[in-house]
Amino acid sequence: AQTVTQSQPEMSVQEAETVTLSCTYDTSENNYYLFWYKQPPSRQMILVIRQEAYKQQNATENRFSVNFQKAAKSFSLKISDSQLGDTAMYFCAFMTSYQLTFGKGTKLSVIP
Amino acid sequence: DTGVSQDPRHKITKRGQNVTFRCDPISEHNRLYWYRQTLGQGPEFLTYFQNEAQLEKSRLLSDRFSAERPKGSFSTLEIQRTEQGDSAMYLCASSFLVGLANFNEQFFGPGTRLTVL
Repeated sequence: AQTVTQSQPEMSVQEAETVTLSCTYDTSENNYYLFWYKQPPSRQMILVIRQEAYKQQNATENRFSVNFQKAAKSFSLKISDSQLGDTAMYFCAFMTSYQLTFGKGTKLSVIP
Repeated sequence: DTGVSQDPRHKITKRGQNVTFRCDPISEHNRLYWYRQTLGQGPEFLTYFQNEAQLEKSRLLSDRFSAERPKGSFSTLEIQRTEQGDSAMYLCASSFLVGLANFNEQFFGPGTRLTVL
């Protein structure tokens, strides 16, 4: 069974600063996808960034980037130039074919 | 089309009652998923459909739960004889699987928050 662990229940960051959210996972699969989803308060979950396990290059989407360490089964999210709108729950997730397996989430607060 | 929609957004019911939730996926999306999210947890997979066929059910989906997707469009999730432990956010997501592609992004709806008293 796949498991996803997010060890930071809550984090805060000053506006315009950089923050890194941690995620580790456990699987015996070789082909899989990793995701970071954002769930703002009372709003629906949206995909922030994804990483294919077969790709060595770390994914980047504007201010969001990941550090994917396949051997260590680590997948951290770096948010640069944090904005107030980044305040949300962030979930790390794992997928093989159809099912997403989520971590418990990290509540990120961006402080003005 | 503005995305995945779910109805109702909130439902309060008494223990023992039956409830039904509806999910309307993004048009043309052939896959539809149901997840449950309890307080302080990430979403947990319940079941998914490809077109009208229900292809997988989680062990979380007890026999009090039933999901349908008639005609491969909208889906309903029914919970019979609700229990307090059923209180959660029920999320629906949809995706479009193309050919033999391994990846298809899941787009989530706003969820239905169920409170069982």
